Amino acid sequence: KAGVTQTPRYLIKTRGQQVTLSCSPISGHRSVSWYQQTPGQGLQFLFEYFSETQRNKGNFPGRFSGRQFSNSRSEMNVSTLELGDSALYLCASSVDGGGVRNTEAFFGQGTRLTVV
Amino acid sequence: DQQVKQNSPSLSVQEGRISILNCDYTNSMFDYFLWYKKYPAEGPTFLISISSIKDKNEDGRFTVFLNKSAKHLSLHIVPSQPGDSAVYFCAASETGGTSYGKLTFGQGTILTVHP
Repeated sequence: KAGVTQTPRYLIKTRGQQVTLSCSPISGHRSVSWYQQTPGQGLQFLFEYFSETQRNKGNFPGRFSGRQFSNSRSEMNVSTLELGDSALYLCASSVDGGGVRNTEAFFGQGTRLTVV
Repeated sequence: DQQVKQNSPSLSVQEGRISILNCDYTNSMFDYFLWYKKYPAEGPTFLISISSIKDKNEDGRFTVFLNKSAKHLSLHIVPSQPGDSAVYFCAASETGGTSYGKLTFGQGTILTVHP
């Protein structure tokens, strides 16, 4: 069974640009969550999507957005990039995001974004 | 407000001995707890989990203990192996409600197992 796949693995962007990251969840998983990892803040929750709907959102500015497609694949977009957006972006998939029962979340390898 | 805390930034043990990683939480709504292992520049790998209705869960060399009254959990690795050297994250979640898909992570503990 294939795991969670994130593309691309590495990305270098310039301040002010926008970026789109992609995540393909484990087959059968309908919940996709996104996290940002930085040395100073650790792993921070960005948002969660289930059946193409955003159900939960963390404390990040509106420049961070996402969407989910009917096949559960998800994309996250960051507009007007700032130097502080340099981080490892991780996506995690689970069966239902803990909506009804306890469920493990499985992570992809991450996308390392560097903003210069 | 850090709701999940791993107070030991690092831990060093000898191969073959027990590694004990600790985690404390403050949010009484958390009812599901997970441990992940992580290498630099990679995604966390799920290790083991425990529901709040249990006080112990075992999977091979890994055992997680939960003390709800103390809001404390620990991960025991026996015996420790050099390949266990990594950063270990404790994470907590609420089932149901509106906290869909959200794991709250501790800051991590760097485990080094010496041959």
